[in-house]
Amino acid sequence: QSALTQPPSASGSPGQSVTISCTGTSSDIGVYNYVSWYQQHPGRAPKLMIYEVTKRSSGVPDRFSGSKSGNTASLTVSGLQAEDEADYFCSSYGGSNNFVVFGGGTKLTVL
Amino acid sequence: QVQLVQSGAEVKKPGASVKVSCKASGYPFSGYYLHWMRRAPGQGLEWMGRIDPNRGGTSYAQKFQGRVSMTRDTSTSTVYLELSRLRSDDTAMYYCAREVSLNPDYWGQGTLVTVSS
Repeated sequence: QSALTQPPSASGSPGQSVTISCTGTSSDIGVYNYVSWYQQHPGRAPKLMIYEVTKRSSGVPDRFSGSKSGNTASLTVSGLQAEDEADYFCSSYGGSNNFVVFGGGTKLTVL
Repeated sequence: QVQLVQSGAEVKKPGASVKVSCKASGYPFSGYYLHWMRRAPGQGLEWMGRIDPNRGGTSYAQKFQGRVSMTRDTSTSTVYLELSRLRSDDTAMYYCAREVSLNPDYWGQGTLVTVSS
C-alpha cells in the first residue's frame, strides 16, 4: 500500500485530455508544495515531468501540467498522443522522518 | 548529460547482504543529495534513505534503520546501498535518484535484487 493514492488506470483517445489524481494527507501534499510527477515506460528509468506542483521539467511539452488543491495533486495531459502511454506516478516531500512518499502509479492508456 | 548508472542484478540467499552501486556523471557529484528507493513486485515505490555526497551524511527511513547503509566514493562519483539480513520480501527493483527541490529528478535504470533460497 502506497502512502499517496492514485487510480490504477486512466485512458483517453488521441487529442483528448486526461487528469490523474494523487491524494495524500495534511502531512505531505497538503502542507508542502513539493509534488513531482514521473513518466515511466516499460523497462525504462522514471522521467521527471513536473516538479514543485506546477513546474515542467526541461524538455517536457506544455501538454503536461500540474496542479494541487488541498491534499490532492493532479497531472493533466492535454492533446493525448500515442507516446504518452506509460505509467505515471507522483511523489511528495513528506517531512524529515519520511522524506519522500510516493503514489502507487497510474497506467495511462491511449485508446 | 546527467546519468546515473547502477550495477547489475543480484541473487542472494536469505540472511545475506547485498551492495548496489550507482555511478553519477554529467553534473557536480558533491552538489546534490542522492536517494535510494525500491519497488517490490506488485507494490508501490518505497523511500529508503538519502546521502549527502559532499559530507557523507545520511538519513534513513525508520523501517530500514539498522539494516541499511549508504556510502559514497567521491573519487569515482559513486554511491552505494548496502542492505543486510536479507529476507524474501526484500526482493525488489532498487533505484538511485538525484534530489532536486526535495524530490528525485534523474533516476538510475534500476537494479533487480532477488532474495531466494
